[in-house]
Amino acid sequence: GNSVTQMEGPVTLSEEAFLTINCTYTATGYPSLFWYVQYPGEGLQLLLKATKADDKGSNKGFEATYRKETTSFHLEKGSVQVSDSAVYFCALSVYNAGNMLTFGGGTRLMVKP
Amino acid sequence: DTEVTQTPKHLVMGMTNKKSLKCEQHMGHRAMYWYKQKAKKPPELMFVYSYEKLSINESVPSRFSPECPNSSLLNLHLHALQPEDSALYLCASSPTSGRASEQFFGPGTRLTVL
Repeated sequence: GNSVTQMEGPVTLSEEAFLTINCTYTATGYPSLFWYVQYPGEGLQLLLKATKADDKGSNKGFEATYRKETTSFHLEKGSVQVSDSAVYFCALSVYNAGNMLTFGGGTRLMVKP
Repeated sequence: DTEVTQTPKHLVMGMTNKKSLKCEQHMGHRAMYWYKQKAKKPPELMFVYSYEKLSINESVPSRFSPECPNSSLLNLHLHALQPEDSALYLCASSPTSGRASEQFFGPGTRLTVL
């Protein structure tokens, strides 16, 4: 089956620190990969995506590269802000599988001033 | 319009009540989804509608009854819920359900069952 594994949180960083949140996956087909962010009390927002190997998704200073050889999609940001404090979910969807999202467990990020 | 809207934002109901959650999108998407999210957990898929027809029901208890009146609207009717059904209920939409694409989520309805 399909599965997504994320590093457990919380991850606590100081403002302007470098962020990495690890994500690895297993998939029965050829997946598209996503990072979603959930701010406190809100729904999920799509942060970035990648649909094929070696694609790099980027948005708001966040980046993630689809690595087929290591089945990974790690999220990075060079300099975090307090406003980045949220829960981050890695997810995949497999072509021709009803577009069902398989989520990782989520990683809570806390950024301190 | 790139939004998915959900009403109400908060809902408190007793175990004997009947209530409904509403979701709306005007992006022309043909697939819509209901998820349940408990605290500190990822969303769990409940139902998928594709072209206004129920295509996936993830073994959800019958006290949850989905309805898709048209391509823009999705309802979730609630009846005789249990306290453990208290959660954030999220609606999402995507262009289709036939191939992998991002889903767009609404802000959710925070449900409390007393």
